[in-house]
Amino acid sequence: DAGVTQSPTHLIKTRGQQVTLRCSPKSGHDTVSWYQQALGQGPQFIFQYYEEEERQRGNFPDRFSGHQFPNYSSELNVNALLLGDSALYLCASSLGVRVGTDTQYFGPGTRLTVL
Amino acid sequence: DQQVKQNSPSLSVQEGRISILNCDYTNSMFDYFLWYKKYPAEGPTFLISISSIKDKNEDGRFTVFLNKSAKHLSLHIVPSQPGDSAVYFCAAVFGNEKLTFGTGTRLTIIP
Repeated sequence: DAGVTQSPTHLIKTRGQQVTLRCSPKSGHDTVSWYQQALGQGPQFIFQYYEEEERQRGNFPDRFSGHQFPNYSSELNVNALLLGDSALYLCASSLGVRVGTDTQYFGPGTRLTVL
Repeated sequence: DQQVKQNSPSLSVQEGRISILNCDYTNSMFDYFLWYKKYPAEGPTFLISISSIKDKNEDGRFTVFLNKSAKHLSLHIVPSQPGDSAVYFCAAVFGNEKLTFGTGTRLTIIP
């Protein structure tokens, strides 16, 4: 049973560029949440997707957008990259939209470096 | 606005002894608390949780205590094992809202 997978593992971009990160949820899960973890910080909630719609959003600018596909996989897009966007981006999947549950499974993350 | 705080960035404990990790929160509306464990190059893994209507939850070597009046929770690991060396995150949630994480505590178990 495959867990949550994310691609790519590492990514290097320059300021102003755009990036797309991908996530495949754990088998049987239908909800995907994205988190940003800056160095030395805890993960911060970006947004959550369920039934191909954004259901909740954290305190992130519109440069951060996402998408969920019919197979429940998801993409995180970041436009006009800033140096401060350098972080580990984590994807978590769950069954249903309740965020505060112990059944959220995290992927290994994508390490984004913006130069 | 750091609503969930873990004031100890690191903690070292001898193998076999008790590890106590602490977490404070400011939002009294939080109704569910979770602890996650994170190894390098892996995503956080759920460890244990507690509802705000309880003051203790135990699962094997792991026990979480909640003191609502002090807005404080702690994770006890006993006995500590080398495999427990990891970063531990405290997280809190209100209703169906987002998970709010602390900054993490790096636990090192000394053999």
